[in-house]
Amino acid sequence: NAGVMQNPRHLVRRRGQEARLRCSPMKGHSHVYWYRQLPEEGLKFMVYLQKENIIDESGMPKERFSAEFPKEGPSILRIQQVVRGDSAAYFCASSPAGVRYNEQFFGPGTRLTVL
Amino acid sequence: AQSVTQPDIHITVSEGASLELRCNYSYGATPYLFWYVQSPGQGLQLLLKYFSGDTLVQGIKGFEAEFKRSQSSFNLRKPSVHWSDAAEYFCAVGTSRTGANNLFFGTGTRLTVIP
Repeated sequence: NAGVMQNPRHLVRRRGQEARLRCSPMKGHSHVYWYRQLPEEGLKFMVYLQKENIIDESGMPKERFSAEFPKEGPSILRIQQVVRGDSAAYFCASSPAGVRYNEQFFGPGTRLTVL
Repeated sequence: AQSVTQPDIHITVSEGASLELRCNYSYGATPYLFWYVQSPGQGLQLLLKYFSGDTLVQGIKGFEAEFKRSQSSFNLRKPSVHWSDAAEYFCAVGTSRTGANNLFFGTGTRLTVIP
């Protein structure tokens, strides 16, 4: 059973470009979470999605950031017009539906570098 | 608002020595508490979690943690450290807010193990 998959593992963008980060949850998992880890900091929650629904986006910056989890395909975190401050590791986690606070299984992360 | 404090940024221990990593949380109700480990370039792996019941929780790889409500602490311990335990350790808290499944992480403690 494959774990949470994220691609690309490393992404380099120039200021003003768009970044698309993909996350495929574990098989059977319908909950997806995105976290951002800035250098020397812990992970910060961004958004929590279920299939076709955003449940909690309280950690998402108000502008330039969006997330989706379509009925088919991976979850996408999209950052428009990237700036240097967006450079970070972005982690996706997934969990099965049902019991609250099921263990969240983390992917290996996407390391975004903005030049 | 909930928060997690890991006061030790970096700890160095000798192989075979005992280990205690500190974690303090701030939350108005009973928290859900977690310890994760992150190896370089990898995602996070759950070591153990506390939801309710016995305040001494056993985890994987020989780790344990004790929930102390009076001290708002959830310190991680291991009686004898192995070189493979060198990694970054994150304490996290989950809340009981309706619809919330996201986690709040501390800034992490980097563990170095010397021979």
